[in-house]
Amino acid sequence: TQLLEQSPQFLSIQEGENLTVYCNSLSVFSSLQWYRQEPGEGPVLLVTVVTGGEVKKLKRLTFQFGDARKDSSLHITAAQPGDTGLYLCAGSPLWAGSYQLTFGKGTKLSVIP
Amino acid sequence: DAGVTQSPTHLIKTRGQQVTLRCSPKSGHDTVSWYQQALGQGPQFIFQYYEEEERQRGNFPDRFSGHQFPNYSSELNVNALLLGDSALYLCASSLFGQGDTQPQHFGDGTRLSIL
Repeated sequence: TQLLEQSPQFLSIQEGENLTVYCNSLSVFSSLQWYRQEPGEGPVLLVTVVTGGEVKKLKRLTFQFGDARKDSSLHITAAQPGDTGLYLCAGSPLWAGSYQLTFGKGTKLSVIP
Repeated sequence: DAGVTQSPTHLIKTRGQQVTLRCSPKSGHDTVSWYQQALGQGPQFIFQYYEEEERQRGNFPDRFSGHQFPNYSSELNVNALLLGDSALYLCASSLFGQGDTQPQHFGDGTRLSIL
């Protein structure tokens, strides 16, 4: 069983469309991080959400942390081909050591021009 | 400002061999974590080093070992390689003391293939 479940696993959309990807868990997290990874590269941190119910915006990307701090979502408005990549959520559950970052399997996004 | 650098970028080994992967952290960072990313999966935590000691370890066998040097660089060693060890090995650096929100800066990884 995956500690962090991400959905959908794959997503292919047309340029200009909106999309939402999800990161869910049965465990409570003190914080969650979102990364984007492109082929042949390491993950790059996009945002960290800390407070339950928190919403953070990064240009066309909106991140939300669930009230109970068990889930998070990433919404992209007017997707562009440059948004293509693997989106990973990660965090340290409260019952684990703070140093052990757990990742979901990711959502592979393809934005078609 | 140099980011996280890893070497080599690609490596091919055969079963039973041993391998050493290297990582230099981002300038100013003192903590190094290693992850294994199998194809189609998210990264899995192997272990983290701070002050030249292993601070925490994920669910990996003792065949996986590491070291951190006084200049904060790190090595990952894997003995008795198995086919299942084929993966992208990622190094991430961070600054100790930032708690749960410590941002991890990743290198581009070493692609290890076991024949």
